[in-house]
Parts: sequence; structure tokens; C-alpha cells
Amino acid sequence: EVQLVESGGGLVQPGRSLRLSCTASGFTLADYAMSWVRQAPGKGLEWVGFIRRKVYGETTEYAASVKGRFTFSRDDSKSIAYLQMNSLQTEDTAVYYCSRGGQGPLEDWGQGTLVTVSS
Amino acid sequence: QLVLTQSPSASASLGASVKLTCTVDSGHSGYAIAWHQHQPEKGPRYLMNVNSDGSHSKGDGIPDRFSGSSSGAERYLTISSLQSEDEADYYCQTWGTGIRVAFGGGTKLTVL
Repeated sequence: EVQLVESGGGLVQPGRSLRLSCTASGFTLADYAMSWVRQAPGKGLEWVGFIRRKVYGETTEYAASVKGRFTFSRDDSKSIAYLQMNSLQTEDTAVYYCSRGGQGPLEDWGQGTLVTVSS
Repeated sequence: QLVLTQSPSASASLGASVKLTCTVDSGHSGYAIAWHQHQPEKGPRYLMNVNSDGSHSKGDGIPDRFSGSSSGAERYLTISSLQSEDEADYYCQTWGTGIRVAFGGGTKLTVL
């Protein structure tokens, strides 16, 4: 059974950093691109971006709203994908989900982790 | 750049059928989409892919009550024999060169 578990969320002040983890099980992480999607309070799903597989150079794509501040990485040996968030803004407050897939259908999702950016 | 449009809300009675619509903009009318169900306090759940020719492929364990179809720029999700647990937000998602990945605004389905 495919499982994705996000962790690392919490309360952080504006301008600070936070790193989220997505621990995968039930499949080989190295075989898939991994995406991040967020949902701000009362809003819909917003694509954040994805990281490709090692065979594609682990290249990344980012939404314009986070480009230059957020960075994806992955450790396939540990089956973990990461989202490093720098220069956080109040508008980044959201539940963050990781998902299996990249530029295609997102076929499995985690339960999400809440990030609250507030002073 | 708005790519996918969904009605904000829909409602139908318990046991009835409902057809949700996702409209792909004219520049991307040949694109496939995916449907996702998002229940409160849970992670989203992938339901199916719907191609521009109407063919669809469902995710693992998705009941037969859920089906997909297509007509022109519209992609549909039909849920038959509605159950209370079908009450959720439904999102369409597409992908492609240039847009990379995009979500529709979501449709909140109420089961009466």
C-alpha cells in the first residue's frame, strides 16, 4: 500500500525558514517524480511544484509564487522528499501535501502538514 | 492564466446521480485531466484520468459509481448512487508544457 506522510509543519515567524519532509512507503521513491501542493485556509488546491527523478537530473519546477524561496530535494535511499521553505510570508500559511507524480496525474497523496506563518 | 474552470458548488440527493464539469480553456482543449476528491480533514484522493476522447482510467479501489467522460473542452465526473461520504470537494487537475500543472478552483458537492 502506497503511503505518504508529511512532517515538519508548525508555527513560524515571517521571514524565517522551515523544512518539510515527505516519507514514502509502499513503492520505490526513486522511480517517481514527487510533487508538493498546498491549500490555504478557505481556498482550493494550489500547485507548488515538483522534483523529477534522478535519471532526469532531479530537476525541479516551481510555481511563480514560491520560485526563489522554496527548494525541493530528495533522498531516495531514505525514501524521503523534502521541501525547504525560506523567507516565509503570511500568504504561505497552508496545509502542505506531498503527492506521487510530477507533470502528470497526481496519483497518491499524503494527509498534509499545516504551516502557519505568523508573528 | 486560467486553464481549468469548475462551478463552485453542486448538490444532489442521496441515491441520485450528479455530473460535475471541468472546462478546459480553448488553448488547452485537447488536454487530459485528473479528478481528485478532497474530504474534510483528509488528504486528497485521486479518482481518475479523463482524456479528451472521453476514455478514462480509474485509480485503485475507486468504486464503479464513479465514471468519467468528455465532450469538447469539457471533462466530466459522474457519481451515481450518491452516498453521504461522497460529500466533498472535487478538483480537476491538468498538466502540460508551459502550464506544467494546474488545478481547477474546485466544486463543493453537497449530498442532500
